[in-house]
Amino acid sequence: NAGVTQTPKFRILKIGQSMTLQCAQDMNHNYMYWYRQDPGMGLKLIYYSVGAGITDKGEVPNGYNVSRSTTEDFPLRLELAAPSQTSVYFCASSYLQGYTFGSGTRLTVV
Amino acid sequence: ELKVEQNPLFLSMQEGKNYTIYCNYSTTSDRLYWYRQDPGKSLESLFVLLSNGAVKQEGRLMASLDTKARLSTLHITAAVHDLSATYFCAVVSAGGSQGNLIFGKGTKLSVKP
Repeated sequence: NAGVTQTPKFRILKIGQSMTLQCAQDMNHNYMYWYRQDPGMGLKLIYYSVGAGITDKGEVPNGYNVSRSTTEDFPLRLELAAPSQTSVYFCASSYLQGYTFGSGTRLTVV
Repeated sequence: ELKVEQNPLFLSMQEGKNYTIYCNYSTTSDRLYWYRQDPGKSLESLFVLLSNGAVKQEGRLMASLDTKARLSTLHITAAVHDLSATYFCAVVSAGGSQGNLIFGKGTKLSVKP
């Protein structure tokens, strides 16, 4: 069981570039989430999804987009990278009371 | 809006000592979680507390929940160096958006010999 898989693990972007952070889960969970963690801080919710085709904004959605075409995949898109988006990004999925987190993507925007 | 506050944010302990981390939240919640995070790593689930008065223990860690006071505690008994990490509490608001977790800022614990 792979759980929640995130790729890439590290990435350096230049200001204005775009990229997609990939997240896949093999547990058939309907609920999936994207969080960002800034240094010394807790996690803040960017977007979430309750199932394929259904997404909604969290606390800090500006500068990001998501899609959910399948139950398994929940990619996060950064269209015009800004230094403020330098962070560690965690994807998670949940079923009942259990949450499973991916290993994270460390993104630096320079 | 649900807010979660942890204190202290930094904790330096000596091995063998006891201490408690506090987690307060601002609105009614039916679920509270404790996680551990090592530097550069993901979150490791420690405890899920689902009801008022719930108490769970694993090794030197014990977590409790008082839903009336909107307070959870994580008690550390006879700390050892291996417990050095950052500890987060996270809350799901009752009837909240699809089970979204709201996190505290974390407590960075350093256990010294």
